[in-house]
Amino acid sequence: EDQVTQSPEALRLQEGESSSLNCSYTVSGLRGLFWYRQDPGKGPEFLFTLYSAGEEKEKERLKATLTKKESFLHITAPKPEDSATYLCAVQGDTDKLIFGTGTRLQVFP
Amino acid sequence: DGGITQSPKYLFRKEGQNVTLSCEQNLNHDAMYWYRQDPGQGLRLIYYSQIVNDFQKGDIAEGYSVSREKKESFPLTVTSAQKNPTAFYLCASNNRLGSGTDYEQYFGPGTRLTVT
Repeated sequence: EDQVTQSPEALRLQEGESSSLNCSYTVSGLRGLFWYRQDPGKGPEFLFTLYSAGEEKEKERLKATLTKKESFLHITAPKPEDSATYLCAVQGDTDKLIFGTGTRLQVFP
Repeated sequence: DGGITQSPKYLFRKEGQNVTLSCEQNLNHDAMYWYRQDPGQGLRLIYYSQIVNDFQKGDIAEGYSVSREKKESFPLTVTSAQKNPTAFYLCASNNRLGSGTDYEQYFGPGTRLTVT
């Protein structure tokens, strides 16, 4: 059964304190792994797609990496505006995305 | 501006009433999806449609119905048979399954439904 587990559930960081969020997955025939950012009361905002192990993508202070079993979202020198819930999802050989429950990130000044 | 619109943002209904949530996209995407989001749970797929006049049940379709009469529109009806309808509902779309960036789903702003 396709499954996605995100850790930690919640993360509190001081501004400038770098850290990583984890997304572990099991899926039949990975077609893509997706990272989204979601602010309270809003729809998820697309961040990255990773397709194969070893791939990396960057956007501002965020960098996503992928192995055969997990993905990391690295946040370098975060700012308070990076506070949000970060969602991970995978698509295997079905028509559906499987979502994790997310990591709620809070960055304090 | 291309995107997905959902209306209304907030919706209140009495128990026993059916209610329809709107989702419109102007991205020319073939596929559209409805998800439900509850606190502490991942997004759960209700229904999806890959082409006009065709749709499939997701993981939690009971108590819901959809139609896909136009490529741009995919309304969701929450019926009185849905036991716990209060939730945040999200609509998404992408290109029909193919390769590369076609798999990326883009989401609307959501509708928060409260049933009392």
